[in-house]
Order: sequence, then C-alpha cells, then structure tokens
Amino acid sequence: GQQLNQSPQSMFIQEGEDVSMNCTSSSIFNTWLWYKQEPGEGPVLLIALYKAGELTSNGRLTAQFGITRKDSFLNISASIPSDVGIYFCAGIIQGAQKLVFGQGTRLTINP
Amino acid sequence: KAGVTQTPRYLIKTRGQQVTLSCSPISGHRSVSWYQQTPGQGLQFLFEYFSETQRNKGNFPGRFSGRQFSNSRSEMNVSTLELGDSALYLCASSLVGAALEQYFGPGTRLTVT
Repeated sequence: GQQLNQSPQSMFIQEGEDVSMNCTSSSIFNTWLWYKQEPGEGPVLLIALYKAGELTSNGRLTAQFGITRKDSFLNISASIPSDVGIYFCAGIIQGAQKLVFGQGTRLTINP
Repeated sequence: KAGVTQTPRYLIKTRGQQVTLSCSPISGHRSVSWYQQTPGQGLQFLFEYFSETQRNKGNFPGRFSGRQFSNSRSEMNVSTLELGDSALYLCASSLVGAALEQYFGPGTRLTVT
C-alpha cells in the first residue's frame, strides 16, 4: 500500500509565486528524493537528502529532510512556466532497500 | 555521460502476447530498478537487479520478470499480457543500489489492446 502521503495533489498558481509541497509518512526514512516529471518523460532527480534536518538548495528549489525523519518538503521560489510538471517525493524507509513514491503534485502555472 | 536509455519508447500489443523491454543504465551504474507507472496507482516498484541478481521484488505477479546481463543492461518481460498492464514502464539506475539516488530513463509506453 501507499506509504507516503504527498500534498497537495495539484496546484494552480500565477507565474512568480512561490510553491510549497510536502510528503509525510508514519515510517522513518533514511533518504528523501525529489523528482520532477514532464509529459512523456521519466522523472528527473532534483534534490537528494540524506540526513535529518538537512536543507538543500538547487537553484530556486529548496528541500528539507524533516527532523522526525518522517517528512520532507520542497519549495520552489519565483515560479516560471518551465516549472510546470508533476513533482514526486520518494523515500527509502529505514531497513528497506527500495524507493517508495508519493502520488505526485501536479503544478500548473498561469502566465 | 549518457543517461539511462530504454527501448522501445512505444509499444502496442494485444492481450495474451508477451513483451520484452530493454534498459541500458548509466555507464558505471550496477543497479537497475524497474517501475510501473499508471494514473491510478502511481509509481510502483517492480524489481531491482544488481550484478545480474534480483535483489528486491515488488508485489507483482509472476508474469512480470526480468534479468540483468554482465554489462549491467537489463530486460523486463511481461507474459500473457492483460489490459491492465498498459502503463509507462520506467527503468532507473544507480551506482550500487536502490537505496541511493536513482536516475530514470524516459520509459516505454506499453499499450495492451
């Protein structure tokens, strides 16, 4: 069953706005990854987090590994049209050796 | 460095047939994982291969199988296709295992009619 709850499921924003999305779970994670997927393509890795409390940036993207190790968030600042896509969180549960994925957040931007 | 490649990109099959999909990982990556992506179920883990051995397996029926070759290239096979097998099949590679950063290929879009 689904072990990651990602929210929101979709977002409709104006160009230039900031975006925030998050993933939560009842399980403890060793790793959090954030991916972006565009139509007809595979997910592209945006940010990888390996330590509780870790805050990492990649350009206008910032992600954090929650202190409890059960959540993570992704922020996008000053959104632009090319940010459109589906963003997935993925994590590796403590003791497991496979990724589990959130259901994705579909981001739509009005110019 | 070239990314993960998957062939074919698109495939149309009929129920009952079988299909083989191919994945070439990033050079130097030894782990290959396969995922099924559908609108209703999202990304579901199929299996992971490392050094030609299946290391992890998801909750899919035995109709789904795979293998890995000595050059780390991997194939996935689905036998006795069902309509519900229509999906985007994604392959991801990582250096030493699925517990690290995985890099995805563009996927193979399989349609079963």
